[in-house]
Amino acid sequence: DGGITQSPKYLFRKEGQNVTLSCEQNLNHDAMYWYRQDPGQGLRLIYYSQIVNDFQKGDIAEGYSVSREKKESFPLTVTSAQKNPTAFYLCASSIRGKEAGSYNEQFFGPGTRLTVL
Amino acid sequence: KQEVTQIPAALSVPEGENLVLNCSFTDSAIYNLQWFRQDPGKGLTSLLLIQSSQREQTSGRLNASLDKSSGRSTLYIAASQPGDSATYLCAVGGTDSWGKFQFGAGTQVVVTP
Repeated sequence: DGGITQSPKYLFRKEGQNVTLSCEQNLNHDAMYWYRQDPGQGLRLIYYSQIVNDFQKGDIAEGYSVSREKKESFPLTVTSAQKNPTAFYLCASSIRGKEAGSYNEQFFGPGTRLTVL
Repeated sequence: KQEVTQIPAALSVPEGENLVLNCSFTDSAIYNLQWFRQDPGKGLTSLLLIQSSQREQTSGRLNASLDKSSGRSTLYIAASQPGDSATYLCAVGGTDSWGKFQFGAGTQVVVTP
């Protein structure tokens, strides 16, 4: 089955701890994205990557870091600098469109719920 | 910066009624617009994708229209069922060099039997 997997489903972080969320896709998509969702709010973009070894900050990148060493993998690290990390984290991927800078349909993983203890 | 708005934030209808969900955006220079469904605690499921050159897309009971000039898209769900209860989000794909998507906050729908 083609799709996007995220692990773990639930994650608990202690104060001062870094944690890493996994995102893997086997859709052969070029672009990958990390979003954060808080109750009653829309999705906010944390980081995105269009190609291997390249990624860009989104709207709320502070306190987060990513890597893109392989096309199919885009892990997100929530560092201790992120003061309010409790949220639902969603990973997505998309294939490049015909026009430069455009991307087609986004597909999402099942999400990881992070809670700070 | 592109801003995407979905009104109302919540909607309740009796089973069998048609649903009309609205999405508005401030910058008409878009590449595409995508509608999603999200069940509680789950990821987003893609419903329909409309390219900027299209006026509408249909899939089963779902129909989405796009009017770029007025900055609006509407998702119609015919003959609603309790299983349609979910949050519906729209996302606008930009034409800047990075092709980012901007999301609305969603409309929470409850279909009562």
